[in-house]
Amino acid sequence: DTAVSQTPKYLVTQMGNDKSIKCEQNLGHDTMYWYKQDSKKFLKIMFSYNNKELIINETVPNRFSPKSPDKAHLNLHINSLELGDSAVYFCASSQDFSYNEQFFGPGTRLTVL
Amino acid sequence: AQSVTQLDSQVPVFEEAPVELRCNYSSSVSVYLFWYVQYPNQGLQLLLKYLSGSTLVESINGFEAEFNKSQTSFHLRKPSVHISDTAEYFCAVSVLDSSYKLIFGSGTRLLVRP
Repeated sequence: DTAVSQTPKYLVTQMGNDKSIKCEQNLGHDTMYWYKQDSKKFLKIMFSYNNKELIINETVPNRFSPKSPDKAHLNLHINSLELGDSAVYFCASSQDFSYNEQFFGPGTRLTVL
Repeated sequence: AQSVTQLDSQVPVFEEAPVELRCNYSSSVSVYLFWYVQYPNQGLQLLLKYLSGSTLVESINGFEAEFNKSQTSFHLRKPSVHISDTAEYFCAVSVLDSSYKLIFGSGTRLLVRP
């Protein structure tokens, strides 16, 4: 069983489009995260939710909107996609926001043309 | 502000040779320290962590890291590497403030050659 899953694995789209990436964890964790990994492999946190509440919101354009319908899901919606949004996006979860072992999903490679 | 520096972007070694991947951090408050490994086309997996206690921590696959507070380092070592160790290795710190967020280094690609 996959602990943290993301869909889709690959996403190719045109500039200006709106797209969503879905994330689900079956670990019973309270906290979920979105990270962006750029072309140089640099990994940076974007958002974190604890029990469906936003607790970390880094300096991210407001075109990015996370949504957590329940503790097991954290989706990422991106409006008006730009070339610079091309990256690998990782979802992760942890038992709670103070328990620091994070479990990562396989990533979604987003390519904006 | 906290930061993590991994000076080596790529470390090529021959199989069965020893390796050290360097990690230095800066923080004005206490931190937890982590090494994550990312195999090709996969997500990150926790390799080992230092929270408190013994400054030398070990993983199940032969890696070890030592926390050196005076040098603000957490270097990763393995005495004999295998081809299967080829991967990207990320050092990370978690600042013990209210956010607990992880701050990652830029990664080091370990390339093990036969």
